Amino acid sequence: SYELTQPPSMSVSPGQTASITCSGDKLGNKYACWYQLRSGQSPLLLIYQDDQRPSGIPERFSGSNSGNTATLTISGTQTMDEADYYCQAWDSSTPIFGGGTKLTVL
Amino acid sequence: QVTLRESGPALVKTTQTITLTCTFSGFSLSTSGMFVSWIRQPPGKALEWLALIDWRGDKYYNASLNTRLTISTDTSKNEVVLTMTNMDPVDTATYYCARIPPGGKASGLGFDYWGQGALVTVSS
Repeated sequence: SYELTQPPSMSVSPGQTASITCSGDKLGNKYACWYQLRSGQSPLLLIYQDDQRPSGIPERFSGSNSGNTATLTISGTQTMDEADYYCQAWDSSTPIFGGGTKLTVL
Repeated sequence: QVTLRESGPALVKTTQTITLTCTFSGFSLSTSGMFVSWIRQPPGKALEWLALIDWRGDKYYNASLNTRLTISTDTSKNEVVLTMTNMDPVDTATYYCARIPPGGKASGLGFDYWGQGALVTVSS
């Protein structure tokens, strides 16, 4: 079965850039999405189609996808960005989620 | 305005069957290309996709759980129902329903709207 691998955790200082990776076999041949999950809230779609932001998502969130790795980049990270982040792609007709990355902003 | 809301029992016992209902508004599951899905998150663990139903009524299940899951829809009520049999404490999780807009599966649009989630605790 297809798997997406994310680093379990990472930390970043406020104002710095955070890059969260998601790895999967030939992931660049699929579309990747990213979700933010803050404590006590529902998941929020941040990025779709590798690099597109839904309306209302700040420009500091960006995405890319090539080869075996998709990347979510948060520029000028804010304390409110402290959350869990999940990548997602499709394998055949089913969605696959990565294991999630806990981002700490300190 | 698109909204989804999950409902169901908060507490069930081991071996019981649970029925969760996703009631949605602001869109129709009959619209070509539309999907509604169930996803869960056990405490401290990752999101796990469970099941998906599309506008044609086609159903898709997580292969590791498909013998226990049934997804169905009542389009007249704007509801998608998930039934899960033989509940176990490892099934304790927040259960979400979420929408994929038309074209989403093929075009990578993602789950664009989510419900607030329903916490289900399974006691032994």
